[in-house]
Amino acid sequence: NAGVTQTPKFQVLKTGQSMTLQCAQDMNHNSMYWYRQDPGMGLRLIYYSASEGTTDKGEVPNGYNVSRLNKREFSLRLESAAPSQTSVYFCASTLARTYEQYFGPGTRLTVT
Amino acid sequence: KQEVTQIPAALSVPEGENLVLNCSFTDSAIYNLQWFRQDPGKGLTSLLLIQSSQREQTSGRLNASLDKSSGRSTLYIAASQPGDSATYLCASLKLTGANNLFFGTGTRLTVIP
Repeated sequence: NAGVTQTPKFQVLKTGQSMTLQCAQDMNHNSMYWYRQDPGMGLRLIYYSASEGTTDKGEVPNGYNVSRLNKREFSLRLESAAPSQTSVYFCASTLARTYEQYFGPGTRLTVT
Repeated sequence: KQEVTQIPAALSVPEGENLVLNCSFTDSAIYNLQWFRQDPGKGLTSLLLIQSSQREQTSGRLNASLDKSSGRSTLYIAASQPGDSATYLCASLKLTGANNLFFGTGTRLTVIP
């Protein structure tokens, strides 16, 4: 049971490049989330997926798109990276019974 | 929007001390409150989850309490150890459309051997 996994662990992009961050969970959770963590700002919700086939915007969705490929996988895409998207990105999933959230190890993204 | 505050931002204590970390939130209509630990460069590890109907949860040397009416939660760490050094985050959950967590910015704890 790996929990929540994320790839890649680190990534450096140039401004304007695109990339997709991958997330998968093996806990059969319905809801999945993407957060970003910036110094002094805490974690902020980018997008979430309450169930397979649905996605919705969170607090800071601009510049991102998501895909809930199936129940296990939830990907985050940056179409045209900007330096303001330099951050640590965390994927999480939720146990339906208690709403306890489980987090992946994060992806550290730098946009130059 | 729910605002979550953690004070102090940083705390240093000698090994063996008992300590309390504080978390306050502005909207008391929460479903649960979760405490996490984050080591440098790592992800978040869930420590304790308190449902809104509960007043406290315990795991080993950790005890978390919740007072919804005053908008406060505390994390008590007994007999601190150097391995407890990390950033501790609290997060409150409201059952809105997103059902997402609102995070504080954390308390960075250093336990000095």
